[in-house]
Amino acid sequence: GAGVSQSPSNKVTEKGKDVELRCDPISGHTALYWYRQSLGQGLEFLIYFQGNSAPDKSGLPSDRFSAERTGGSVSTLTIQRTQQEDSAVYLCASSPKYEQYFGPGTRLTVT
Amino acid sequence: GENVEQHPSTLSVQEGDSAVIKCTYSDSASNYFPWYKQELGKRPQLIIDIRSNVGEKKDQRIAVTLNKTAKHFSLHITETQPEDSAVYFCAASSGGSNYKLTFGKGTLLTVNP
Repeated sequence: GAGVSQSPSNKVTEKGKDVELRCDPISGHTALYWYRQSLGQGLEFLIYFQGNSAPDKSGLPSDRFSAERTGGSVSTLTIQRTQQEDSAVYLCASSPKYEQYFGPGTRLTVT
Repeated sequence: GENVEQHPSTLSVQEGDSAVIKCTYSDSASNYFPWYKQELGKRPQLIIDIRSNVGEKKDQRIAVTLNKTAKHFSLHITETQPEDSAVYFCAASSGGSNYKLTFGKGTLLTVNP
């Protein structure tokens, strides 16, 4: 079946602009995660949605970052007033319970 | 919160040799331990996982062992091949009904032909 998809695959933006990154999870998966991966680094947890529960936002690095998940499916990660240090690959993962399946990521470059 | 330490950060082996990557975790309530493989420019892929009710799990050339008392788990790859070259991440769940994962910082495995 279809895996996790993300769009756009690449995004170049100017410092100070807002960006929206989209994640389409695997149908039926109740959990959705956002991670950030800087070049050559590990996976930095950002936010976690589980069913109808309040999201776990404990990993968001600043109030410029926000995310929502509409109808328990598609999720959007928004970064306001982008900074150069926001440049990274943003990965989304969905999960039926334990196993997480990752999307291909969005490579964000802030110039 | 959970803290996961992973060692070594880099590992170089000859084709055909075995490779072992080790992780420790801090939260005794953690009950799920997956391993991911990430090839250059690709997404992380789940390769094997283990639940806290078992001590070892094998899948062809890869195996994972878990020691809950010592709070450590390991990935073993036997008969390594060049296509095993990648970054490997371990992770541990938060425990209970929270399935959030905390990842180790990764191990770059290079298999030399």
